[in-house]
Amino acid sequence: QQQVKQSPQSLIVQKGGISIINCAYENTAFDYFPWYQQFPGKGPALLIAIRPDVSEKKEGRFTISFNKSAKQFSLHIMDSQPGDSATYFCAALLPGAQKLVFGQGTRLTINP
Amino acid sequence: KAGVTQTPRYLIKTRGQQVTLSCSPISGHRSVSWYQQTPGQGLQFLFEYFSETQRNKGNFPGRFSGRQFSNSRSEMNVSTLELGDSALYLCASSRQATNTGELFFGEGSRLTVL
Repeated sequence: QQQVKQSPQSLIVQKGGISIINCAYENTAFDYFPWYQQFPGKGPALLIAIRPDVSEKKEGRFTISFNKSAKQFSLHIMDSQPGDSATYFCAALLPGAQKLVFGQGTRLTINP
Repeated sequence: KAGVTQTPRYLIKTRGQQVTLSCSPISGHRSVSWYQQTPGQGLQFLFEYFSETQRNKGNFPGRFSGRQFSNSRSEMNVSTLELGDSALYLCASSRQATNTGELFFGEGSRLTVL
């Protein structure tokens, strides 16, 4: 019940296209949903995050859509660029702790 | 402002040995968490420390341990290494005492067990 399921495992998008990564969770106690971006040889870096009382959050080209009733959330990257090529992880936070439960990751490749 | 610093960056050990990994959090951050990253299991939570106290522990055997010092620096130790312990060990720090989820990760220590 503490799992976060992420799909797809890998994604190839043309430059300028929209990249969409989906995540689903079961535990309704999760109360914070961040997305992390990881480049090879680096640690994950916080990209954008949302709380369950908000249905959408946008920061530049990155948007999180959150569907509380379906227990799903997704990351949309508009106008995808080759520099966005990285592995993306969704995560969910258990309240009362700094414990993040991560999805399995999506390797995104943006073709020029 | 310096980021999270982890040492060593790479190390090779043999089965049965032990290893100690070090993490210096961002200045002013008092919460330090450790995660194990492998291709098969992804990112898994090991433990979290705040003010020298372990507040949370993941589902790992007792061979995995850690501690935090008064200056917020943290170490984790793995004893009696197994081949399956080969992984990238990531340390993350946070300013807040609780529940923000905003973690700042280091670049990790890559452990190879032969």
